[in-house]
Amino acid sequence: EAEVAQSPRYKITEKSQAVAFWCDPISGHATLYWYRQILGQGPELLVQFQDESVVDDSQLPKDRFSAERLKGVDSTLKIQPAELGDSAMYLCASSLGPDRGPYDFGPGTRLLVL
Amino acid sequence: DAKTTQPPSMDCAEGRAANLPCNHSTISGNEYVYWYRQIHSQGPQYIIHGLKNNETNEMASLIITEDRKSSTLILPHATLRDTAVYYCIVRRNTNAGKSTFGDGTTLTVKP
Repeated sequence: EAEVAQSPRYKITEKSQAVAFWCDPISGHATLYWYRQILGQGPELLVQFQDESVVDDSQLPKDRFSAERLKGVDSTLKIQPAELGDSAMYLCASSLGPDRGPYDFGPGTRLLVL
Repeated sequence: DAKTTQPPSMDCAEGRAANLPCNHSTISGNEYVYWYRQIHSQGPQYIIHGLKNNETNEMASLIITEDRKSSTLILPHATLRDTAVYYCIVRRNTNAGKSTFGDGTTLTVKP
C-alpha cells in the first residue's frame, strides 16, 4: 500500500541553526499539506500546495519558515533560524485534491530545538 | 471552515462499543465530516467520512444527525489497540478544502 514518506524521522538541532524536512506524497496526489503538531494539541496547517503552487500559507511564519514543491511532487519545509518554540512534530499529508479523498499522513518528523 | 467540539477524554471497556461524539453545529451544506485517529507518536490515520448519510466500513461506523450538527463515531468492538486520540474535522468539498483539527478525544480502552 502506498504511503507518504518523510525524512528525517527525528531531528535535534540547536537554536539559530537551519533545519529542513522532506516529504514524498503518494503518487498522483496533487494536494500536499504541511502540518505542525505541538505535544498535546491537534495538527495545525502550515501550508497547502496544489501541484507546485501554494494555495494557503496563512499560518506559515514566513520570517523563518519556507516551503517549496518545485516539480509538484516532493516537498521541502525549511526553518531558518530554528527557535526553541519550534520543537514539535512536523507532519506531511497528501490527497488526490483539496476536495477529493481523505488525507494520507506520513509518519512525521519530530524536531527538538535545544 | 466549521469548527468541531469533542470531549477531551473517554474510557471504554475492551470488547464493548466505543461511541465518540463530535459537535459541528456551524457545519455548512458542502462540508463533509471526517474522522482520523492518531496512535502515540504516529501520523494521523484516516478512519471514515460522510456528508449526511450514515457510513460504515471495516473500521467503524459514522452516524450523522439529520440536522448535521453532530455526529458519532462508533467502534463496535473496541480493542486495546484502539487506544488513541480521535479527531473529528469538517472539510469543504471545494478548492479551499483545508481542515482545522481541534485537540481531539483521547480514547483509552481498558482490559
